Amino acid sequence: ETGVTQTPRHLVMGMTNKKSLKCEQHLGHNAMYWYKQSAKKPLELMFVYNFKEQTENNSVPSRFSPECPNSSHLFLHLHTLQPEDSALYLCASSPEARGTEAFFGQGTRLTVV
Amino acid sequence: GQQLNQSPQSMFIQEGEDVSMNCTSSSIFNTWLWYKQDPGEGPVLLIALYKAGELTSNGRLTAQFGITRKDSFLNISASIPSDVGIYFCAGQDLRGDMRFGAGTRLTVKP
Repeated sequence: ETGVTQTPRHLVMGMTNKKSLKCEQHLGHNAMYWYKQSAKKPLELMFVYNFKEQTENNSVPSRFSPECPNSSHLFLHLHTLQPEDSALYLCASSPEARGTEAFFGQGTRLTVV
Repeated sequence: GQQLNQSPQSMFIQEGEDVSMNCTSSSIFNTWLWYKQDPGEGPVLLIALYKAGELTSNGRLTAQFGITRKDSFLNISASIPSDVGIYFCAGQDLRGDMRFGAGTRLTVKP
């Protein structure tokens, strides 16, 4: 238990569906992140939020839409995804946005059919 | 962007053997981190290194921050079956951005 909780753990969605991933951290951290993990590839940073403000968007397609209503919660809204978007999506948090180690949630295994 | 090269990609070892893996970078990092990921789970932080030359242990795990600040290694002594998983290095550059290696997949045969 790292203090970062992601739901759901598994999600199967069609290409025309709309779904959301949720992340909650109980560590009092100010920064939250979304990462994509595909097989045999390094973790890809998608979005960074620091004090609820988005500070980084690593050229992520608009079919992925993040939302950070407060420092403890982070969402990733998904719509019209492609099969190649199937991956493990990991949420992480850290005390500050830079220079501190990140703690990860268990991930959401997403399959797009 | 900065490349983080992690090797080996995979290792198959016998229980009781020692393991060594490393990461190298083309740029200087301020922090090196080592994570372990079990199947179906998120990465869990094992060791964090903050100074060049620093050698830190966590049980049977030992990691070092290279003197050049461009590399780090992780050693596991006397491996056991529960050491199975994927080990990731991560480095934080001068801006604080974190880069990950592609991981080392460890298999331990009883």
